[in-house]
Amino acid sequence: GAGVSQSPSNKVTEKGKDVELRCDPISGHTALYWYRQSLGQGLEFLIYFQGNSAPDKSGLPSDRFSAERTGGSVSTLTIQRTQQEDSAVYLCASSHRLATETQYFGPGTRLLVL
Amino acid sequence: GENVEQHPSTLSVQEGDSAVIKCTYSDSASNYFPWYKQELGKGPQLIIDIRSNVGEKKDQRIAVTLNKTAKHFSLHITETQPEDSAVYFCAASKVVGAQKLVFGQGTRLTINP
Repeated sequence: GAGVSQSPSNKVTEKGKDVELRCDPISGHTALYWYRQSLGQGLEFLIYFQGNSAPDKSGLPSDRFSAERTGGSVSTLTIQRTQQEDSAVYLCASSHRLATETQYFGPGTRLLVL
Repeated sequence: GENVEQHPSTLSVQEGDSAVIKCTYSDSASNYFPWYKQELGKGPQLIIDIRSNVGEKKDQRIAVTLNKTAKHFSLHITETQPEDSAVYFCAASKVVGAQKLVFGQGTRLTINP
């Protein structure tokens, strides 16, 4: 079946602009995660959605970052007033409610802030 | 919070030889340990995982071992092939509770023909 999809695959923006990144999880997966991967670095947790529970936002680096998940499916990560240090690959993952620890990743959105 | 250390950062082996990547974790409550393979320009792909109620798991040429007492786990790849060249990440999390994965820094594995 279809895996996790993300759009756009690449995004170039100017410092100070807002960006929206989209994630479509695997059908039927109730848990959704956002991670950030800076150049040559490991993956850093940002936010976690599970069903109708309040999201775990503990990894968001600043109040310029926010995310929502509409209808328990698609999620959007928004970065306001982008800074050059926001340049990274933003990865989305999803998992099934019966095995929420087993996460499957999408291809990522490569964000470059000029 | 959890901290995962991964070694080595780069590894180069001859085709057909074995490769071993090691990780240590700090939180004794962690009980789920996946390994991901990431090829250039792609997202991480889950290749094998292990839960803390087992000490070893094998899937064809790939195996993972876990030592709960020492809080370390390792990935073993045997009979390496050129297509094994990639960046490998270990991670740790809890099966119940906060499921966010805490990743190691990655190992760039190069298989020389």
